[in-house]
Amino acid sequence: AQKITQTQPGMFVQEKEAVTLDCTYDTSDPSYGLFWYKQPSSGEMIFLIYQGSYDQQNATEGRYSLNFQKARKSANLVISASQLGDSAMYFCAMREGVYTGTASKLTFGTGTRLQVTL
Amino acid sequence: EPEVTQTPSHQVTQMGQEVILRCVPISNHLYFYWYRQILGQKVEFLVSFYNNEISEKSEIFDDQFSVERPDGSNFTLKIRSTKLEDSAMYFCASTLRGAVNQPQHFGDGTRLSIL
Repeated sequence: AQKITQTQPGMFVQEKEAVTLDCTYDTSDPSYGLFWYKQPSSGEMIFLIYQGSYDQQNATEGRYSLNFQKARKSANLVISASQLGDSAMYFCAMREGVYTGTASKLTFGTGTRLQVTL
Repeated sequence: EPEVTQTPSHQVTQMGQEVILRCVPISNHLYFYWYRQILGQKVEFLVSFYNNEISEKSEIFDDQFSVERPDGSNFTLKIRSTKLEDSAMYFCASTLRGAVNQPQHFGDGTRLSIL
């Protein structure tokens, strides 16, 4: 089974509108972290936002927020007031394991390509 | 802001040749990783490294691959005898602690092209 599922291969949004990028995950580990990364066409991976499995509140970082629904195992990224520079590939990723001590890897989804239009 | 640096940005190599990809992680970070991304596909984990030894490796990381931290700053990935299917973007990442709540900071990647 896929650990991270991103069902939207591509999304379009108009400038200044909000957009939600979906991510569902599968784990039996009670301790995990969920991350979103942005990959522009230039190829680098940029960390955007993190949500921990024990966090009570949804994470926010500027125009990025995470709609975390633990029972549904979803961690959707919301980008508010989209800008042309937001056009990129967006990856959801998960780290599993205990909260300390392990060098646990990131497992990535297949990504969603977001295109912001005028 | 400190960042992970990778060299070269692009490497073109003949099939069967050895290649070494270099990374300088963020200076106070302790955990290091290599990932790869075949063009148009998702990012895949290769190996993690802590305290001068491999912590975990994927099935992709076979005997042709090795990692080393030869000094206090560099972290290298060596592919002994490259194959066409090794063509990919290779990312180095580092994090201060290995815990699940720590983001991994990625370098800009090395695009490896095998001819």
